Amino acid sequence: NAGVTQTPKFRILKIGQSMTLQCTQDMNHNYMYWYRQDPGMGLKLIYYSVGAGITDKGEVPNGYNVSRSTTEDFPLRLELAAPSQTSVYFCASRPTGGPIYEQYFGPGTRLTVT
Amino acid sequence: AQSVSQHNHHVILSEAASLELGCNYSYGGTVNLFWYVQYPGQHLQLLLKYFSGDPLVKGIKGFEAEFIKSKFSFNLRKPSVQWSDTAEYFCAAQTGANNLFFGTGTRLTVIP
Repeated sequence: NAGVTQTPKFRILKIGQSMTLQCTQDMNHNYMYWYRQDPGMGLKLIYYSVGAGITDKGEVPNGYNVSRSTTEDFPLRLELAAPSQTSVYFCASRPTGGPIYEQYFGPGTRLTVT
Repeated sequence: AQSVSQHNHHVILSEAASLELGCNYSYGGTVNLFWYVQYPGQHLQLLLKYFSGDPLVKGIKGFEAEFIKSKFSFNLRKPSVQWSDTAEYFCAAQTGANNLFFGTGTRLTVIP
């Protein structure tokens, strides 16, 4: 199993541009999460999904959108990039019935908005 | 509001030195506590966990953590660090089935 994969690893965006951060897991996990980690800060939950077709907001959802059309994929969309969205983005997943603390994390995407 | 704080942002130690990383949480109810580690270029991994019982929990690679309820703390310790322990360490608290809060992280650099 590849686990949780994220693409791209690095990206520089100009203010106002849009992009999609990809996240794929091959473990058949129903729960998937998107976090952001700002410099010197902890991970903050952006959005999560409990299964295909079901998504919900986390702690910091403004400026982002998600979709979950398949079990495997959980892309995160930035429509109008802003400097405040400069961060490292982590995707994670866990199986239904598994404890929330045993999430499988992806390697992260480092995004810079200038 | 529920939160987890880690006061050490960057710790630099020589090999064989002892390590203690601080973690405090703010939540008055039942809480489960965790330490995660992220080695350079790798994924976040669970290091150890505490639910109840013996407040001293042991994790992988010789790490341990002590839960002190009166101090709302869950400090991470290791008697003798190695260069391979260089990583970022995150404390986290679970306050509900779907609530997991992470601290800001502590970067540990071990000098050979």
